[in-house]
Amino acid sequence: DAKTTQPPSMDCAEGRAANLPCNHSTISGNEYVYWYRQIHSQGPQYIIHGLKNNETNEMASLIITEDRKSSTLILPHATLRDTAVYYCMNSNAGGTSYGKLTFGQGTILTVHP
Amino acid sequence: SAVISQKPSRDICQRGTSLTIQCQVDSQVTMMFWYRQQPGQSLTLIATANQGSEATYESGFVIDKFPISRPNLTFSTLTVSNMSPEDSSIYLCSVGGQGVAFGSGTRLTVV
Repeated sequence: DAKTTQPPSMDCAEGRAANLPCNHSTISGNEYVYWYRQIHSQGPQYIIHGLKNNETNEMASLIITEDRKSSTLILPHATLRDTAVYYCMNSNAGGTSYGKLTFGQGTILTVHP
Repeated sequence: SAVISQKPSRDICQRGTSLTIQCQVDSQVTMMFWYRQQPGQSLTLIATANQGSEATYESGFVIDKFPISRPNLTFSTLTVSNMSPEDSSIYLCSVGGQGVAFGSGTRLTVV
């Protein structure tokens, strides 16, 4: 079973910020929060990950609460090409399960003009 | 991150036959994984492909149905054996790392 919960769908206007929430209340101390997205008919694409500090890269920002039980992925200026299924997951940062991901149902983000 | 080439990209197969999917990585990687994505569903991990030893299968997946090879640190294959229409899915390989990379997937249709 997936260890995270996400809303099944969200809408966002083009050019606005998209804020995608995720609850990961059972996250353990050595697990990172990962975000991926899957655009229709393509393999999942890595977006960002973090342990406990907020992170930013060229694609998105990741805000992790202090208790690490939830996080928010922020796409600062959503475009139509950001329409995809977004998955958040917990995963160990090392050891034999490094890179082993448990996918939930994700959030279908629809960006509209 | 690693670049993964997966082939075939799609295939239509007769029931009862087998299909072998190849996954080639442009660099040596320790961890490789195989996933299945059934129509309209999320991804489910099939197994971890271990170099030089037998793959580690997740609950619900068995070696006789999904034999996996991992002859070196850049290559792996997944075979879907004795196929039935229920095996129609997208099969994806991935490699471990800070930003896990996925192949583009193999879309399998069993008729």
